[in-house]
Amino acid sequence: AQSVTQPDIHITVSEGASLELRCNYSYGATPYLFWYVQSPGQGLQLLLKYFSGDTLVQGIKGFEAEFKRSQSSFNLRKPSVHWSDAAEYFCAASGAGSYQLTFGKGTKLSVIP
Amino acid sequence: GAGVSQSPRYKVAKRGQDVALRCDPISGHVSLFWYQQALGQGPEFLTYFQNEAQLDKSGLPSDRFFAERPEGSVSTLKIQRTQQEDSAVYLCASSLAAWDRSNYGYTFGSGTRLTVV
Repeated sequence: AQSVTQPDIHITVSEGASLELRCNYSYGATPYLFWYVQSPGQGLQLLLKYFSGDTLVQGIKGFEAEFKRSQSSFNLRKPSVHWSDAAEYFCAASGAGSYQLTFGKGTKLSVIP
Repeated sequence: GAGVSQSPRYKVAKRGQDVALRCDPISGHVSLFWYQQALGQGPEFLTYFQNEAQLDKSGLPSDRFFAERPEGSVSTLKIQRTQQEDSAVYLCASSLAAWDRSNYGYTFGSGTRLTVV
């Protein structure tokens, strides 16, 4: 079955520190991959997406993600976290050409001043 | 409007009550999706419309769930005889096309939080 796993339920980092959020997927073929952010009471906002090609993807708000086929991973990174980055982050995948997204359970990010 | 609008933002229903959740997609968006997000979980796909046609309802959890989009714009998700396990945030998303590789343009609304007591 197709699935997306986010191993970390909750991560706390200090403001200015680097961040890496983990995501692993299980799909028959390489899926399309996405990271979304959800602030309290808000909808999901797309941070970045990967379809093919360059395995390092740049997104909005200074985020980037790296696709590693050998590890079935698509980890999200940011070199320096800001307090406003505190939110819940969801990794999602879809089969190539499919409209249906499969989401992970999310990682809640807390930022300490 | 500029974004996807959902109403109401919050809904408390007594078990057994019927509820209707509304989604106003971005004007001109052909595709509309409903997702269910239970507490502590990621969103799960419910159903997909292309214009007024419901092309996929494979994610609807039971026959108590019904969605419609009669004129190809506003959509309503109806839940009959609500149960406690229906408590969740219901998210609506729209996009210009079902799949747009240049800009995978799902725009999500803020959701309706349904609590069944």
